[in-house]
Amino acid sequence: KQEVTQIPAALSVPEGENLVLNCSFTDSAIYNLQWFRQDPGKGLTSLLLIQSSQREQTSGRLNASLDKSSGRSTLYIAASQPGDSATYLCAVTLYGGKLTFGTGTRLTIIP
Amino acid sequence: NAGVMQNPRHLVRRRGQEARLRCSPMKGHSHVYWYRQLPEEGLKFMVYLQKENIIDESGMPKERFSAEFPKEGPSILRIQQVVRGDSAAYFCASSGDDGGSGNTIYFGEGSWLTVV
Repeated sequence: KQEVTQIPAALSVPEGENLVLNCSFTDSAIYNLQWFRQDPGKGLTSLLLIQSSQREQTSGRLNASLDKSSGRSTLYIAASQPGDSATYLCAVTLYGGKLTFGTGTRLTIIP
Repeated sequence: NAGVMQNPRHLVRRRGQEARLRCSPMKGHSHVYWYRQLPEEGLKFMVYLQKENIIDESGMPKERFSAEFPKEGPSILRIQQVVRGDSAAYFCASSGDDGGSGNTIYFGEGSWLTVV
């Protein structure tokens, strides 16, 4: 059974700092891995998707890496801003749209 | 993700009543997924549907919960005889013909069910 763990559960950093969020999964037989952002009371916004054959993806200040063999992914956020405050969710795709989610990292950027 | 429409956004039901949550996938999408997010827990897969077919319902509770995606109209998640433990956010997602394997799936804004 696939399990996804995200560490830390919560993180507070001053504005402008670079930071790394971690995600680990137990079964390397995945189609892809996605990072989502969830604001309070809102739905999920997909940030980055990494196919199982890829090592990393970048979008603006965000960079996500994937090491399938070790079951790890990281989300790197450069030059953090208060608007980055949200919960970040990591999810692995077993097939199609059947995702297994981690419990998330609640990020607070301190102005 | 604004393309996946869920309603109602907030629903309050008394114990024992029925709750119906609706989801219209993005235009052109034929695959619909329902997820549940319990308070302080992660999102859990419930069911995967294509038009008129349930493909995978391995995450659905065995009783009181049902889902459908008719040929015409939105997908419906139905919860009968609701209990307090059903209070959660219910998210719908949709994907295109590849079933989401190669592309991102898109989530709706969620329906927040409160059982009083």
